[in-house]
Amino acid sequence: KQEVTQIPAALSVPEGENLVLNCSFTDSAIYNLQWFRQDPGKGLTSLLLIQSSQREQTSGRLNASLDKSSGRSTLYIAASQPGDSATYLCAAPAYSGAGSYQLTFGKGTKLSVIP
Amino acid sequence: NAGVMQNPRHLVRRRGQEARLRCSPMKGHSHVYWYRQLPEEGLKFMVYLQKENIIDESGMPKERFSAEFPKEGPSILRIQQVVRGDSAAYFCASSPILAGGFISTDTQYFGPGTRLTVL
Repeated sequence: KQEVTQIPAALSVPEGENLVLNCSFTDSAIYNLQWFRQDPGKGLTSLLLIQSSQREQTSGRLNASLDKSSGRSTLYIAASQPGDSATYLCAAPAYSGAGSYQLTFGKGTKLSVIP
Repeated sequence: NAGVMQNPRHLVRRRGQEARLRCSPMKGHSHVYWYRQLPEEGLKFMVYLQKENIIDESGMPKERFSAEFPKEGPSILRIQQVVRGDSAAYFCASSPILAGGFISTDTQYFGPGTRLTVL
C-alpha cells in the first residue's frame, strides 16, 4: 500500500526566499509523481509531473526532483512571492487492487509567504 | 472550455438526511474520479467511473455511499443517512481518453469541490 508523507506540515517564509518542500513515498515502484497546488476553497492545480525516467522537472520558478531509490521528491520554489501562499500536495500513483491505478496524496505543506 | 464543475459548492445537511453531490466533467471527458478530503487529512480516492460504468470503487465506504455517471448528465455522488463524520470536502476530477485509447491517471483535472457540513 502506497503511503505519502509531506514535511513540514506548514512553512512560513519572508518574500524572496528560496524554499524546499519534501515528499516521501513508501512504494518506489511508481511510474510518476505529481505536485499540486491547492488554494483555500478551490480545487487542485497540477504544477509538475515527473516521470519515473526523469530526475527533475522545471516550470518557471518551480523545480521538482525525484529519487525513486530513496523514495523522495522535493519541490523547490525560487524567489518566493506572496502569491505562492497555498497548500502544496504531493501525489503518487498506487494500484488500487481493483483494476486501476489511482493517486495517493500526502496531507500537504501549507506555505505562507510574508510580504 | 469550461473546467470541471461541481455543485453545490457548499451543502449543509442534518444527520440522517441525504446528500447529493454533482460533478460535470470537462467537455469531451468521459472518466470521472471522486475524492474525499477530511479535515486535516489528505485527499483519499473514492471511486472511478466511466459513463454508465463503475470502474473502481475500492475507496468507497461499503454502506450509505453510491456513485453514478449516467449516459446523459452529471456524475452524482450520493450519501444516504449522513453522519457528522461525513463532513468533508468532496472533489471530483475528470480525464480524457488519450491517443490510442490509453487512460492515464496523470491527466486528471480537478473541480473546486463541494464542502459538506453535517449538523
